[in-house]
Amino acid sequence: EAGVAQSPRYKIIEKRQSVAFWCNPISGHATLYWYQQILGQGPKLLIQFQNNGVVDDSQLPKDRFSAERLKGVDSTLKIQPAKLEDSAVYLCASSLGAGWNEKLFFGSGTQLSVL
Amino acid sequence: AQSVTQLGSHVSVSEGALVLLRCNYSSSVPPYLFWYVQYPNQGLQLLLKYTSAATLVKGINGFEAEFKKSETSFHLTKPSAHMSDAAEYFCAVNPRGYGGSQGNLIFGKGTKLSVKP
Repeated sequence: EAGVAQSPRYKIIEKRQSVAFWCNPISGHATLYWYQQILGQGPKLLIQFQNNGVVDDSQLPKDRFSAERLKGVDSTLKIQPAKLEDSAVYLCASSLGAGWNEKLFFGSGTQLSVL
Repeated sequence: AQSVTQLGSHVSVSEGALVLLRCNYSSSVPPYLFWYVQYPNQGLQLLLKYTSAATLVKGINGFEAEFKKSETSFHLTKPSAHMSDAAEYFCAVNPRGYGGSQGNLIFGKGTKLSVKP
């Protein structure tokens, strides 16, 4: 079974530039999550999708971050414009459903460096 | 508000020695607690979870954790460390307990485990 695919693996940009990350979840998984993991910290949930609808985006900095999952499969996370403090690993995860007993599958992440 | 504190950002043990990674939680609702492992350049993988059934939870790779309500702790242990256990370990709590999404977790800062030959 293919896992959660993320690209690019690494990205280096200058502050105020824009960047986008892509996630392809496991086939058939309705729920998709984006996390931000700053160095030395645990992951923080940014946004949760159920199919193509947003379930929770309470921790997404909406002035600069946006995410979409138009067809309920792939998802993109965008930062525009980037700030130095956005340097982090961005993790995508998926699960069959959104219940508390659903197993999460994580991608390897995209490491973003903002200079 | 719910929170998780992991004591020790770095733990080093010898191969074959006991592994003990400490986690204390704070929760206003009966907590659901998790341990995840992250190997270098990989995503997180669930080790085990506590969801109000047995207080001693067994997970993968020989790890187990015991929920102690009186101590608000959920420490992770393994009797004998193996070189392949070297990784970063995260304790997490589900802020909504039952009914919340497993993906909506509050994670601790992580403990990096090193295993010496």
